[in-house]
Amino acid sequence: GAVVSQHPSRVICKSGTSVKIECRSLDFQATTMFWYRQFPKKSLMLMATSNEGSKATYEQGVEKDKFLINHASLTLSTLTVTSAHPEDSSFYICSAGTSGGAVGTQYFGPGTRLLVL
Amino acid sequence: DAKTTQPPSMDCAEGRAANLPCNHSTISGNEYVYWYRQIHSQGPQYIIHGLKNNETNEMASLIITEDRKSSTLILPHATLRDTAVYYCIAATGTASKLTFGTGTRLQVTL
Repeated sequence: GAVVSQHPSRVICKSGTSVKIECRSLDFQATTMFWYRQFPKKSLMLMATSNEGSKATYEQGVEKDKFLINHASLTLSTLTVTSAHPEDSSFYICSAGTSGGAVGTQYFGPGTRLLVL
Repeated sequence: DAKTTQPPSMDCAEGRAANLPCNHSTISGNEYVYWYRQIHSQGPQYIIHGLKNNETNEMASLIITEDRKSSTLILPHATLRDTAVYYCIAATGTASKLTFGTGTRLQVTL
């Protein structure tokens, strides 16, 4: 299957700092990428849909100025958590579709665990 | 996206078939049934998807009822490494967002 990577896999930062998470599709081009967040013992919650070359679409309740998303190319999307606070500590997961608009599959990255102290 | 309903947990003995049910009674004609699983502390892994015909791949089989209101994921010979949370999702395709429910926690035991 297609491979999606995330970097870093784990990050610890101080409150008030910003953290950038990268999501890359390694062997395919992804017009659309998705960012999810997962709290302990909970299911994945979609944060935003990232489209190459355009602004991301955020889900209701997700602050677009706090969670900056950039989809710079067909293989890279980044999520920046700005001015992180302890409540932002979570497991962040991205996914990418294998074919834009057509039926196919979404492949997920391994996730990034963020701990804000 | 149509809502799906799954049992919260199931047990299966290693080597036996694991049959995971999913109800999606409000699924629309253009929605596929997708199955993903998430092993602890990892990203979800794609398993299989289908529209109305039964599907099989190297990981599992997907049986969809004729009225498309329910489906069953079958892991033919479960192993301990199949212990995970399994999610059944109705979605229209690759570019559509996936709405994850609570899934079924499958525990495979010796």
